[in-house]
Amino acid sequence: DAKTTQPTSMDCAEGRAANLPCNHSTISGNEYVYWYRQIHSQGPQYIIHGLKNNETNEMASLIITEDRKSSTLILPHATLRDTAVYYCIVRVAWSSSNTGKLIFGQGTTLQVKP
Amino acid sequence: DTGVSQDPRHKITKRGQNVTFRCDPISEHNRLYWYRQTLGQGPEFLTYFQNEAQLEKSRLLSDRFSAERPKGSFSTLEIQRTEQGDSAMYLCASSLGDLNNQPQHFGDGTRLSIL
Repeated sequence: DAKTTQPTSMDCAEGRAANLPCNHSTISGNEYVYWYRQIHSQGPQYIIHGLKNNETNEMASLIITEDRKSSTLILPHATLRDTAVYYCIVRVAWSSSNTGKLIFGQGTTLQVKP
Repeated sequence: DTGVSQDPRHKITKRGQNVTFRCDPISEHNRLYWYRQTLGQGPEFLTYFQNEAQLEKSRLLSDRFSAERPKGSFSTLEIQRTEQGDSAMYLCASSLGDLNNQPQHFGDGTRLSIL
């Protein structure tokens, strides 16, 4: 079972920041938080990941709370093309003894509106 | 484009037929995964290869399913005697296994429809 909880759906106005929350209250110390998104009829697209520090890349920012029990993905200026299902996934750190498989939940359907 | 490539993109077949899908991972990625996604659900893990070794199989992978990665590069997923319940999107992902926790990158999948 997925170790994360996300809202089923969210709306965001075009040009505004989209803040997508994720709860992962049972996260372990060696587990990372990954975010993917999936646009209709395409494969999941990697967005960002982090362990405990906040992370930023060209697509988004990831804010992880100090206790690591929740995180927020921020799309700073949402566009219509950001409409997608967003998945928050907790994954154990890679080692020679684990596969690193991803366990997806239902995700959050983000609808960006004009 | 040097992303993960899957072929075919769509496959329609009659119940009882065998089908085979191919995945070409990103070059030099030693880890390869297969997932299955049904309508309205997130992807579910099927199996994992590290180089040519198949190291994990999900209980979802019945004995009608077989996957190979003969030379540690491309992989194939075969379904024998297809059933209606096999209708789904089959996704392949690859990653570089290292201590930096590199993410998996997905292809756009093969959509299988069983008539």
